Amino acid sequence: AQTVTQSQPEMSVQEAETVTLSCTYDTSENNYYLFWYKQPPSRQMILVIRQEAYKQQNATENRFSVNFQKAAKSFSLKISDSQLGDTAMYFCAFMREQGAQKLVFGQGTRLTINP
Amino acid sequence: NAGVTQTPKFRILKIGQSMTLQCTQDMNHNYMYWYRQDPGMGLKLIYYSVGAGITDKGEVPNGYNVSRSTTEDFPLRLELAAPSQTSVYFCASSYRFSGNTIYFGEGSWLTVV
Repeated sequence: AQTVTQSQPEMSVQEAETVTLSCTYDTSENNYYLFWYKQPPSRQMILVIRQEAYKQQNATENRFSVNFQKAAKSFSLKISDSQLGDTAMYFCAFMREQGAQKLVFGQGTRLTINP
Repeated sequence: NAGVTQTPKFRILKIGQSMTLQCTQDMNHNYMYWYRQDPGMGLKLIYYSVGAGITDKGEVPNGYNVSRSTTEDFPLRLELAAPSQTSVYFCASSYRFSGNTIYFGEGSWLTVV
């Protein structure tokens, strides 16, 4: 079974700083997908970024980028020029390529952006 | 665009009561899911469905039942509610293509007292 681990329960940075959230996962699969979801206080689950394991190039979405290290099974999220609206829980998630599209989530990192 | 709609948003149940969480999506998605999120934790899969008439257990199915009679609807039934079922429940849906984006509803807060 796949597992996802987020080792940083909480993080806090100042507005405009850059912050990196860590995620490691365990799988025997070769092809899969990785995701970062944002969950603000409203509890809505918002997709931030996704990465296909067969792609070597790291995914980017505006101020959000990932560092995907397949051999190390590491998938960190970098938020540049952090904004107050980035304050939220962030979840790393894994999805197998085969079969039903079931997400396996990490425990989450609570990120606070301070003014 | 409605997307994934869950009802009710909030509910308090007494131990032993039963209830159904409703979920409907208007995106013609094949796959639908129910997740639960306990305080301070990530989401865990309860049940999922790959199409009308087809359902399967996820990681934490005990105490729940589902049905999928139409593409749009995927209700979650709680039988004999227990305090351990106090959680936030999320319904989600996606197209069947591998790695497709999963769309979540806004969540249903359930407290069992």
